Amino acid sequence: AQSVAQPEDQVNVAEGNPLTVKCTYSVSGNPYLFWYVQYPNRGLQFLLKYITGDNLVKGSYGFEAEFNKSQTSFHLKKPSALVSDSALYFCAVRDRGDSNSGYALNFGKGTSLLVTP
Amino acid sequence: GAGVSQTPSNKVTEKGKYVELRCDPISGHTALYWYRQSLGQGPEFLIYFQGTGAADDSGLPNDRFFAVRPEGSVSTLKIQRTERGDSAVYLCASSLSHLKTDTQYFGPGTRLTVL
Repeated sequence: AQSVAQPEDQVNVAEGNPLTVKCTYSVSGNPYLFWYVQYPNRGLQFLLKYITGDNLVKGSYGFEAEFNKSQTSFHLKKPSALVSDSALYFCAVRDRGDSNSGYALNFGKGTSLLVTP
Repeated sequence: GAGVSQTPSNKVTEKGKYVELRCDPISGHTALYWYRQSLGQGPEFLIYFQGTGAADDSGLPNDRFFAVRPEGSVSTLKIQRTERGDSAVYLCASSLSHLKTDTQYFGPGTRLTVL
């Protein structure tokens, strides 16, 4: 079974400060990992994904995430937060296996990011 | 280019009624997914189509839920005898192919309210 944990319901950060949104996963074998962002009354927007290779993945809007296999984590980071980054962030995992199942994304509960001016 | 579109954006119905939710994927995308998102939760998988066939329907909660994709493009999620617990935002996503490395792109969702 695969699962994702986002241990923080909410993260507060001041504009201009670095931000981190945490994600840990549990999956048999190596996973594919994704981050999405959801603005109010809108669908999920893709930010970045880890497939293979370099553990540091760069994505949209200046976000990046680091895959850490030993800690089974994929934390989302940004060096300097903007007020417009305030939104709901979801981490998701996908089974890397070859079975016909496991195509779905398994999402965490989400973390609400609030960036204050 | 056009993203994933879903209609209607909002649907209010009464307990026991039948509803259909439509998803129009990104042109050329062969894989299509339905998810359900309840308040305060992440999206939960319902069903996955590769082309016209449902390759994985393990997330459908019961036999009141059914989905089709007859021509391998537009998909309809059908819910019979709706219950108040079916109230949620129903999200559709598409990806270019069946590869698990492909990104899923989401539509804006249909908010279903069952009174």
